[in-house]
Amino acid sequence: ETVLTQSPGTLSLSPGARATLSCRASQRVSSGYLAWYQQKPGQAPRLLIYAASNRATGIPDRFSGRGSGTDFTLTISRLEPEDFAVYYCQQYGISPAITFGQGTRLEIK
Amino acid sequence: QVQLQESGPGLVKPSETLSLTCTVTGASISSSFWNWIRQPPGKGLEWIGYIHYSGSSNYNPSLKSRVTISLETSKSQFSLKLSSVTAADTAIYYCARGHYGDYIWYFDNWGQGSLVTVSS
Repeated sequence: ETVLTQSPGTLSLSPGARATLSCRASQRVSSGYLAWYQQKPGQAPRLLIYAASNRATGIPDRFSGRGSGTDFTLTISRLEPEDFAVYYCQQYGISPAITFGQGTRLEIK
Repeated sequence: QVQLQESGPGLVKPSETLSLTCTVTGASISSSFWNWIRQPPGKGLEWIGYIHYSGSSNYNPSLKSRVTISLETSKSQFSLKLSSVTAADTAIYYCARGHYGDYIWYFDNWGQGSLVTVSS
C-alpha cells in the first residue's frame, strides 16, 4: 500500500501570502497518478491539479503543482479568502488502487 | 455538464446492509470508472472501490469482503452495497467519476455526498 503523508497538518496564513503544501509517498508514484483536491465545509472535494502539475478546468493559475517520485508539492501563490479549505493529495497505484493523504487544513491567520 | 447524485437511506441499523445508488447525468455511464468514496464526519477520504463500464471492479482490500459495486447501464446508475455495517461505517458517501487514460488518473466529477448513519 502506498501511504501519502501530507504536511503540515494545519497551515495558518494570511490572505495574500504564499502557501506550500507537501505530499510525501511511501513509495514511488508515477506523476500521472498524483492529483490534488480542495474541499470546503459541507462540499464535495474539487479537483485542482492532475498528473502532478496540470491545472483542472477553471482552476486559477495561482494554484500550481510540482514534484516527482515520492515528493509532491501544491503551491498557492497568493492566497484569496476562498482558498482557505482542506487540501488532499491522492494517488493511483496498486492495492489499494487509490489512496488519499490525510489532508492539510489551510486556515486564516 | 456531468452531474452525479447519490440516493439511499440515511439511517442503517448495525449488522444490516448499506445500499446507495448514484445517478449520472450529462455523461455516458458506458465509459470511465465509477467510484465510491467515503468520509467519516470530521475525518479524511477513504476510497471504497470502483466499477468499470466493462463490468470489472476493484475494491479497497480493507472493505473488500463486505463491498459490492454494480452498474445499471440502462438507468445510468451505479450502486454500492456494504454489508454487516457497524458504527465505524458512519460517513458521508460520495460517488465520483474516475478518469483514466494515457497513464493519468483523477476524479473529475463528484456527487454532493450522502450522509449515512449506522445506529439502532
